[in-house]
Amino acid sequence: LAKTTQPISMDSYEGQEVNITCSHNNIATNDYITWYQQFPSQGPRFIIQGYKTKVTNEVASLFIPADRKSSTLSLPRVSLSDTAVYYCLVGDMGTGRRALTFGSGTRLQVQP
Amino acid sequence: EPEVTQTPSHQVTQMGQEVILRCVPISNHLYFYWYRQILGQKVEFLVSFYNNEISEKSEIFDDQFSVERPDGSNFTLKIRSTKLEDSAMYFCASSKGQGNKNSNQPQHFGDGTRLSIL
Repeated sequence: LAKTTQPISMDSYEGQEVNITCSHNNIATNDYITWYQQFPSQGPRFIIQGYKTKVTNEVASLFIPADRKSSTLSLPRVSLSDTAVYYCLVGDMGTGRRALTFGSGTRLQVQP
Repeated sequence: EPEVTQTPSHQVTQMGQEVILRCVPISNHLYFYWYRQILGQKVEFLVSFYNNEISEKSEIFDDQFSVERPDGSNFTLKIRSTKLEDSAMYFCASSKGQGNKNSNQPQHFGDGTRLSIL
């Protein structure tokens, strides 16, 4: 699985847009990019997944440049409840079989 | 929205005892997983299960651990001769399975069982 690098922590205020960038220089052709969110004492929650260009759902957007060596998770107008750890994972998720390798994630703290 | 459910939410066990952690995956999912997270540490993969057999396991998943799908809905993790260092959150996950090139099959997690070994 490709190694990922993301900031250890980020701070924001309610109502702001938050962008978390993840580097994955060794991403393979078959790899998807997946983001999970984790609150304390809860399981990781799937947010969004993409292969290239831009993906948007009701929660977030995922921007992937043409070279796919990085990706940016965009959370529009964050609230206090978005305070969580966000994980960027890269791997052949298309099979649904592979073991997920979680890093330390980005701890997002949203202030009032 | 369908969810992965895990029971119990908290299990306290004496060292050396056996524990069984239970999971009900999402009903139309075919692949099942166990992960654990020691307090303050990363989420670690333990094992994946498909078609009634283990398809992948990590170094953590040694002879102390076993998994089973005893019926059409439950997926269990058994830990024998528990040790203090087995204390952790244990997460079950499931996914639909093999997608085609245009679809993604993410894993969906339950909220875990907190295992405390005394």
